[in-house]
Amino acid sequence: GQNIDQPTEMTATEGAIVQINCTYQTSGFNGLFWYQQHAGEAPTFLSYNVLDGLEEKGRFSSFLSRSKGYSYLLLKELQMKDSASYLCAVRDSNYQLIWGAGTKLIIKP
Amino acid sequence: KAGVTQTPRYLIKTRGQQVTLSCSPISGHRSVSWYQQTPGQGLQFLFEYFSETQRNKGNFPGRFSGRQFSNSRSEMNVSTLELGDSALYLCASSVEGRDNEQFFGPGTRLTVL
Repeated sequence: GQNIDQPTEMTATEGAIVQINCTYQTSGFNGLFWYQQHAGEAPTFLSYNVLDGLEEKGRFSSFLSRSKGYSYLLLKELQMKDSASYLCAVRDSNYQLIWGAGTKLIIKP
Repeated sequence: KAGVTQTPRYLIKTRGQQVTLSCSPISGHRSVSWYQQTPGQGLQFLFEYFSETQRNKGNFPGRFSGRQFSNSRSEMNVSTLELGDSALYLCASSVEGRDNEQFFGPGTRLTVL
C-alpha cells in the first residue's frame, strides 16, 4: 500500500529552527508537496520538490531525497504565527496526491 | 482574483439522508479535486474532475459521487449518510490538475447525527 509518515506533533520555541520529517512509500513519484494548515482553515501551499536537493523560500526550505523516500521541511526564525499543521503529500504515478496525517507544530514563546 | 469557494460551510444531517456539496474553482482552473479530512487521518482523496470528466478516483464507496459542469463548478454527493461520513470536505482547484500547486477552498464541515 501507499504510505506517508510524519510526526504527529512537535514543539519548538519562538526564534528557533525546526525540521519536520516526512517519509513515503508510494506507487511512483511525481513530486512532493508541503502545505500549511491553520486550525479551521484551508491548507495553503508551501513548497514543491520533484528533484533531489534543497529548495529555499524565505524562512522555509524543503529537502528531498528520492532514493531514500524522504523529505523534510525546515522552518527558521520561528514566529508564533507558524503554529499550524504541516501536511506532506506525494503525487503518485496516477497523479493522485497521497497525504500524510500532518504534523501539528506548537510554538512556545 | 477570487479564491476557491465552497457552499455550504456547515451542514448537519442525519443517518440515511443524502447531501450535495458545491465547489466553485478559481476562474480559469479546469481541474477540481475533492478530499475528505478527518482528525488523525489526514486528507483522503475522493476524486478529480477535469473538463467535466472524472479523471481520477480514490477508494471510497459508490455512495460518494460527483460531477463537474461546463463552467468548471463541481458538486459532490453523498447518499445514505453514515456517522463515519462526518468530516471536513475540501475541494481544491488547479489549472490542469498536474500543476505544482493546488488551491484549496475553506471546506464544508459535515456532521452526521
